[in-house]
Amino acid sequence: DIVMTQSPDSLAVSLGERATINCKSSQSVLSSSNNKNYLAWYQQKPGQSPKLLIYWASSRESGVPDRFSGSGSGTDFTLTISSLQAEDVAVYYCQQYYATPPRLTFGGGTKVEIK
Amino acid sequence: EVQVLQTGAEIKKPGATVKISCKVSGYTFTDYFVHWVKQAPGKGLEWVGLVDPGDGETIYAEKFQGRVTISADTSTDTGYMELSSLKSEDTAVYFCATGGGPIDYWGQGTLVTVSS
Repeated sequence: DIVMTQSPDSLAVSLGERATINCKSSQSVLSSSNNKNYLAWYQQKPGQSPKLLIYWASSRESGVPDRFSGSGSGTDFTLTISSLQAEDVAVYYCQQYYATPPRLTFGGGTKVEIK
Repeated sequence: EVQVLQTGAEIKKPGATVKISCKVSGYTFTDYFVHWVKQAPGKGLEWVGLVDPGDGETIYAEKFQGRVTISADTSTDTGYMELSSLKSEDTAVYFCATGGGPIDYWGQGTLVTVSS
């Protein structure tokens, strides 16, 4: 199975500042057939179900604010919140969905708080 | 509007079996995989497995293989997860979720408590 490793486990950022979360996969999730990275990011607020933010490593889900962006390829990926808002306090997870049907694996999560 | 509605909380004794379900609406049921994801108290997300409602194919995470059965009923657009030989470590919220690649839609979660 592909192992997903996130860092840091938690971070505290001032309102309006940038937050950066890293995710590394144990093997490449880049498909040579379509040149897509099978990597998604989710946001989970306390007491809620996760919400899809980013798919194909850098495509923003409809309705997601453009302060959220994803980057990276192969085995190394980043989720960036360009200007942290109070409503962004949550735990963020990366997930790979390589192969069809996909054997999903999630990163351990990164808790984002306000400094 | 896509909806994924899960059944209510369950309390089971160690060694018992639990079967929970989710009814989906708002899309063609056979278009997306139905996944089940575990979240133990205060912990992260852990994939349990999936069913392809189109052909019934199932795939399970190795950790749950042999104890879990995931299925889908296309006549009622409902997905099921049955977990047997329950132990205290199975206490968690179990999410039903759907998507063709990444998970687009999530249910509200079903709390399963295993306690004697």
